[in-house]
Amino acid sequence: TQLLEQSPQFLSIQEGENLTVYCNSSSVFSSLQWYRQEPGEGPVLLVTVVTGGEVKKLKRLTFQFGDARKDSSLHITAAQTGDTGLYLCAGGGGAQKLVFGQGTRLTINP
Amino acid sequence: EAGVTQSPTHLIKTRGQQATLRCSPISGHTSVYWYQQALGLGLQFLLWYDEGEERNRGNFPPRFSGRQFPNYSSELNVNALELEDSALYLCASSLVPGTDTQYFGPGTRLTVL
Repeated sequence: TQLLEQSPQFLSIQEGENLTVYCNSSSVFSSLQWYRQEPGEGPVLLVTVVTGGEVKKLKRLTFQFGDARKDSSLHITAAQTGDTGLYLCAGGGGAQKLVFGQGTRLTINP
Repeated sequence: EAGVTQSPTHLIKTRGQQATLRCSPISGHTSVYWYQQALGLGLQFLLWYDEGEERNRGNFPPRFSGRQFPNYSSELNVNALELEDSALYLCASSLVPGTDTQYFGPGTRLTVL
């Protein structure tokens, strides 16, 4: 069974600080997706990484896929209150299903 | 371009009843996926449909079923509802069949009393 573990589960920081969220597994994934979900809404796709060692940037967000394709990280620089939300990583689990981590609930305080 | 749409937004049923949830994929997408997001359990894969056929199924009992129509919209049926079926049910679609890049709808909140 493929599992993804996210850490931390909860993170509360002040506006302007930097943060990193981790997504780890003992399994190899063909790809890794990061989503952000607001309360009562569906997850919104932020990025897909497919190559080991790949780094993608989306404004203040930097996503990295581990060399062995077993882990990923999301780094946010100079966090803003609008970054508040539930961040989910999801791995390509084969047979065309996504395996999701439990999520990191991020709160950015003004 | 319209995103994935789901209906109803909320659904309240009692134990033992049946629930039907509907999903329309992004135009041009032929694959539809269903996930359950129960409190504290994260998103769990339920079903994958493509070109009208069920292609894969998650670890859920047979009372969870569905179908995909010729216009690629999909329906999820949950029979003999149990209290623990209360969850947000999310539908996703993809342009490339079976791809990992999936786009989600807003979900249907099912409450079983």
